Amino acid sequence: NAGVTQTPKFRILKIGQSMTLQCAQDMNHNYMYWYRQDPGMGLKLIYYSVGAGITDKGEVPNGYNVSRSTTEDFPLRLELAAPSQTSVYFCASSPGLAGGSFYNEQFFGPGTRLTVL
Amino acid sequence: AQKITQTQPGMFVQEKEAVTLDCTYDTSDPSYGLFWYKQPSSGEMIFLIYQGSYDQQNATEGRYSLNFQKARKSANLVISASQLGDSAMYFCAMSYNNAGNMLTFGGGTRLMVKP
Repeated sequence: NAGVTQTPKFRILKIGQSMTLQCAQDMNHNYMYWYRQDPGMGLKLIYYSVGAGITDKGEVPNGYNVSRSTTEDFPLRLELAAPSQTSVYFCASSPGLAGGSFYNEQFFGPGTRLTVL
Repeated sequence: AQKITQTQPGMFVQEKEAVTLDCTYDTSDPSYGLFWYKQPSSGEMIFLIYQGSYDQQNATEGRYSLNFQKARKSANLVISASQLGDSAMYFCAMSYNNAGNMLTFGGGTRLMVKP
């Protein structure tokens, strides 16, 4: 199993450009997440999905969009890139909670380092 | 709202010594889970250890143990016999009863192991 994969690894955008960050998982997980990590900071949730066709906003959704047409893929779209979106973006997946437990280990991709100039 | 606080931005520890990384949390839910993740300089997020709010014993995984004090709402990570490879950022996180099974992360602690 490849786990969670993300492409590209690095990207430089100009202000106002758009791009899509790709994320795929092969673990048949229902739950998927997008985080951003600014330098020296913790992770902030951008969007999440509980299954194909179902997405919802996290803590910092402005400037981003997502879609989930399949269980495997969860792309993140940046429209009109701004310098404030310079960050490392992590995609994660999890099977979700079961049996009353709160054990919800999230499996992370390697991240995409994005710079907006 | 749930909140995770890690008050130590950076710490040094001598190789082979033990170190404790602090984590306090705030929630009104009686049911939750607590996680620790490691992020080395290469950037990936590595799961270390988990503690459920109803677990009677403190969690242990190899050299990692979680000092869970429910009344104080603290979940400190203890690393025994530190190694140079333990130098990394460490994040505490909490799961709770929410629609997306989301994790709330703390701001992290950078641990540096001295030879």
